[in-house]
Amino acid sequence: SQKIEQNSEALNIQEGKTATLTCNYTNYSPAYLQWYRQDPGRGPVFLLLIRENEKEKRKERLKVTFDTTLKQSLFHITASQPADSATYLCALNTGGFKTIFGAGTRLFVKA
Amino acid sequence: SAVISQKPSRDICQRGTSLTIQCQVDSQVTMMFWYRQQPGQSLTLIATANQGSEATYESGFVIDKFPISRPNLTFSTLTVSNMSPEDSSIYLCSVGGLTRGYYEQYFGPGTRLTVT
Repeated sequence: SQKIEQNSEALNIQEGKTATLTCNYTNYSPAYLQWYRQDPGRGPVFLLLIRENEKEKRKERLKVTFDTTLKQSLFHITASQPADSATYLCALNTGGFKTIFGAGTRLFVKA
Repeated sequence: SAVISQKPSRDICQRGTSLTIQCQVDSQVTMMFWYRQQPGQSLTLIATANQGSEATYESGFVIDKFPISRPNLTFSTLTVSNMSPEDSSIYLCSVGGLTRGYYEQYFGPGTRLTVT
């Protein structure tokens, strides 16, 4: 069956460290993969997209990698801040407009 | 990007009643989506609503339970009919645009529904 897996356990890190979140998928061939941020009581906000033929994408303190052989994406936040505390969702698009979301991983950054 | 508002932001409803959720976008968009997000779960697509045509429902969701209207390019409603406690969830409206060659989605703040 098709699955998107993100670590259901919250990730707790110290301010200034790099946070790394994992997204694994099975039985999908995504055209591209997206990462969204969701704060409590709010809808998800788009952060970054990486295409199937790209290995890495960066935006300010964010970095995403995409390994289609391992069927895995890693999402990094460098120099993390308490304001980065949120739930981060991985989402796959296999072509067309339909997007499949993972359940997300909660990140807590302690000052 | 698009700015999306939803009404109501939250509601507590009795079993067997219906609730209509409104979604307003600040610009004209072709495609609008309705999602459901249960606590600790991923977003599940309920249906896609294009202006001028019937909504397209995903497996497990039917029009009688979740009727959708899309009267123009900036507005849509989702009705949750004959509610049961299992319908307690956050309902999210989203719009998508083919931007820079891919579909980026923008979400409303969500409607938190509790059915007692």
